[in-house]
Amino acid sequence: QVQLMQSGADVKKPGASVKVSCKTSDYMFTAYAINWMRQAPGQGLEWMGWINAYNGNTNYAQQFQGRLIMTIDISTTTAYMELRRLRSDDTAVYYCARSSYDLVTDSFRWSDNWGQGTLVTVSS
Amino acid sequence: DIVMTQSPDSLAVSLGERATIKCKSSQTVLHSSNNRNYLAWYQQKPGQPPKLLFYWASTREFGVPDRFTGSGSGTDFTLTISSLQAEDVAVYYCQQYYHPPQTFGQGTKVEIK
Repeated sequence: QVQLMQSGADVKKPGASVKVSCKTSDYMFTAYAINWMRQAPGQGLEWMGWINAYNGNTNYAQQFQGRLIMTIDISTTTAYMELRRLRSDDTAVYYCARSSYDLVTDSFRWSDNWGQGTLVTVSS
Repeated sequence: DIVMTQSPDSLAVSLGERATIKCKSSQTVLHSSNNRNYLAWYQQKPGQPPKLLFYWASTREFGVPDRFTGSGSGTDFTLTISSLQAEDVAVYYCQQYYHPPQTFGQGTKVEIK
């Protein structure tokens, strides 16, 4: 069945960067986008952006502009999320999830399959 | 950005009783071109990623028990659990995908009374 497997937990110092991977399997990688969301401890879900696996186009939430980079490797059907200039309030569980394209809105839809999550801790 | 507001923040319901969660969007998520509501519901249990329950506001994802119902249109939506089971204890989130950024409600925690 469809699987998204994320890299393991990581600890970073403020100002550093983190790169989380999301290895997908058992579906046509380029027919979907990968959404990235995060969840701070005890908090709700926050959408960070998506990357269209067909053409590599991205859409980032405004609050992450300038320090978020999403990439894909089609050969390994893996998506990556890199967040730079980390702050303590970036401490969160980061999720990748699959999303299908919507022709009417030229955008992407709900997230139907999720990775298990990656805890990123930012601490000095 | 479209703001999603859920109510209540938490509720406690007896086993076998009905649980109702509301979700309101700051602007319509009903697209006039296809008459579809761009609204999804998720269930999240502790230590797990969210699980998709409904999309298009009322289309049940495969494998979701039929005691769960999604309804509503435009700006007002409801998730109903007709007969609460112990395994339904979780936090429930609504999400709009009408226009980026995709936004989530703050979540509603459902517990057993």
